[in-house]
Amino acid sequence: AQSVAQPEDQVNVAEGNPLTVKCTYSVSGNPYLFWYVQYPNRGLQFLLKYITGDNLVKGSYGFEAEFNKSQTSFHLKKPSALVSDSALYFCAVKNNNNDMRFGAGTRLTVKP
Amino acid sequence: EAGVAQSPRYKIIEKRQSVAFWCNPISGHATLYWYQQILGQGPKLLIQFQNNGVVDDSQLPKDRFSAERLKGVDSTLKIQPAKLEDSAVYLCASSRSGQGAYEQYFGPGTRLTVT
Repeated sequence: AQSVAQPEDQVNVAEGNPLTVKCTYSVSGNPYLFWYVQYPNRGLQFLLKYITGDNLVKGSYGFEAEFNKSQTSFHLKKPSALVSDSALYFCAVKNNNNDMRFGAGTRLTVKP
Repeated sequence: EAGVAQSPRYKIIEKRQSVAFWCNPISGHATLYWYQQILGQGPKLLIQFQNNGVVDDSQLPKDRFSAERLKGVDSTLKIQPAKLEDSAVYLCASSRSGQGAYEQYFGPGTRLTVT
């Protein structure tokens, strides 16, 4: 069965600095990879996904993620963080059997 | 486009009572999911429907949880009887299809507290 690891429970960055939220995965076959964001008292919102092709995927709100097959990673990045980016971020992986697994989440705090 | 609707938003019950949650997916989405999200954890899939048929319910505690999706649109998730460890947020999501890389769209969730 596939799995997702988000090694950092918490990431703190200053506003205007670049941010990275890490994600590694384990799956048999080709993975479909996703990032979701969760704001307080809200459901998860889709940010971006990797299916195939270009390893750098661009998504909503200026976020992007880089797929690295050799390192089985799919780190979320943003060149310049905003205070409003503070939220809980979830990485997810789906296999060809359509079984979707989420990581435990990383809380991003952007300080002014 | 209207999003995924869920009700109620909050529910407090005592252990051994029963509770039901309702979900209305995005129009035209054939696949519907129920997830359980315990505080500090990622969502865990409970059950997946494709139209009105169950695709995956391997992680659904069937002795106390049940779900249905009559007519392939709305869905209800029921817990009877509830236990303290059922306290969580129950998320409903929908997607165009369970196949492939279609992203899921989530509702706001129902926060259940069992006392």
